[in-house]
Amino acid sequence: DSGVTQTPKHLITATGQRVTLRCSPRSGDLSVYWYQQSLDQGLQFLIQYYNGEERAKGNILERFSAQQFPDLHSELNLSSLELGDSALYFCASSVSGGWGTGELFFGEGSRLTVL
Amino acid sequence: GQQVMQIPQYQHVQEGEDFTTYCNSSTTLSNIQWYKQRPGGHPVFLIQLVKSGEVKKQKRLTFQFGEAKKNSSLHITATQTTDVGTYFCAGQGRNTDKLIFGTGTRLQVFP
Repeated sequence: DSGVTQTPKHLITATGQRVTLRCSPRSGDLSVYWYQQSLDQGLQFLIQYYNGEERAKGNILERFSAQQFPDLHSELNLSSLELGDSALYFCASSVSGGWGTGELFFGEGSRLTVL
Repeated sequence: GQQVMQIPQYQHVQEGEDFTTYCNSSTTLSNIQWYKQRPGGHPVFLIQLVKSGEVKKQKRLTFQFGEAKKNSSLHITATQTTDVGTYFCAGQGRNTDKLIFGTGTRLQVFP
C-alpha cells in the first residue's frame, strides 16, 4: 500500500460526459502528479501541483483540468469525453516539489472507460 | 519538449538469462528514476540516480547514469519469473518539476 488513495477505481461513462477523479496523497506529501496510461502504453505526464499551486504542465488537453485543494487532495476533471480518453489515470505524490523531486508514490489508478 | 525513449520495447528471456533496458533523453537531465510496473499494477519506485556516471546496485539489478546525464541503463543479472513487468525510466530535466516517463520495456521471463 503506497498510501496514495484514488477514487473511483473504475468508471464507465458515455461520450460527451464529464467525470471527476479524486486523489488523496500520502500524509505529508505536498506534490501531486497526474499521469494517463492508455492500454499497453507508457505514462503520459498531465500536470503537477505543489502545495496547492500548479507547478508543471504536460500535454494536458483543454477539456481536462485539475486542482489541488488546501487539504492537499487533488481532483482531475475530464469533460466532453471522447472514446480516446479511455485509459488508466494515475495519481502520484511526493514529499517535495521542484528539482530533484524524489520518489513518486503511485495510487492504484482510476480506470476510465468511455462508451 | 523533453522526450525519453527506451529500448527495447519488449524482451522475452529464459529464466536465468540477463536483461538490459536502455533509456535515452532528448535533453540533459538533473536526475533519473527507475520504476517497475507489474501487470495490472501501478508503478513502483526502484531507484534514483543523480550524479554523472553514477552506478548503483540492488541485488541482481544494476543501474547506471551516463556521463552526459542523457542516458541510463538497467541491467538484471540471472532473471527470475518475479522480474516480469514493465520497466520505466523517468527523467527530470533541469529547472523543471516535470518527471517524464520513458516508453517502457516489457520483460517476460519464461521458466
